[in-house]
Amino acid sequence: AQSVTQLGSHVSVSEGALVLLRCNYSSSVPPYLFWYVQYPNQGLQLLLKYTTGATLVKGINGFEAEFKKSETSFHLTKPSAHMSDAAEYFCAVWGFTGGGNKLTFGTGTQLKVEL
Amino acid sequence: ETGVTQTPRHLVMGMTNKKSLKCEQHLGHNAMYWYKQSAKKPLELMFVYSLEERVENNSVPSRFSPECPNSSHLFLHLHTLQPEDSALYLCASSQDERGGMEQFFGPGTRLTVL
Repeated sequence: AQSVTQLGSHVSVSEGALVLLRCNYSSSVPPYLFWYVQYPNQGLQLLLKYTTGATLVKGINGFEAEFKKSETSFHLTKPSAHMSDAAEYFCAVWGFTGGGNKLTFGTGTQLKVEL
Repeated sequence: ETGVTQTPRHLVMGMTNKKSLKCEQHLGHNAMYWYKQSAKKPLELMFVYSLEERVENNSVPSRFSPECPNSSHLFLHLHTLQPEDSALYLCASSQDERGGMEQFFGPGTRLTVL
């Protein structure tokens, strides 16, 4: 079975500072990995995904993530935070669990951006 | 309308009521999903439909009954719910159910069970 662990349910950064949101996964097969963002009163929106190929993945809004197989990690970064980045971020892994293949989500990290 | 839409956006119901949640996708996708999002818990996949056939049911109580009349519409029929069923219910769609496919989410229905 697969699982996702997001370290830190709340992260606070200053505007212009580096954003680092951590995600570790477990999967019995090579994983497909995703980061989604959820703004208040909205559904989830895909930021980026890793399936195969280059391990550094660039997404929307200046975010990127690096797949590190040896560390089973897929941390999300952004060089300079903006107030509009305040939202909840979810890491997810696609793979086999229980009765079939599905996306398994982490519990989310709430990002706060301060002036 | 574009993307994935859900109605109603908010719903308050008593434990003896019967109500339905509606989801519509305007993306031409073949797979649709229902998720439950509760505070401080990971999203829980409830149902998966592919080409209008249910392919996954993750041990969801029978008081939740899905219906997929065509590839664009998905319903979740609710009856005799419990207060612990209060949550945000998200609908999503994807091109198909293969791994690596992006899922597009609707804004959700905030359900409160009294």
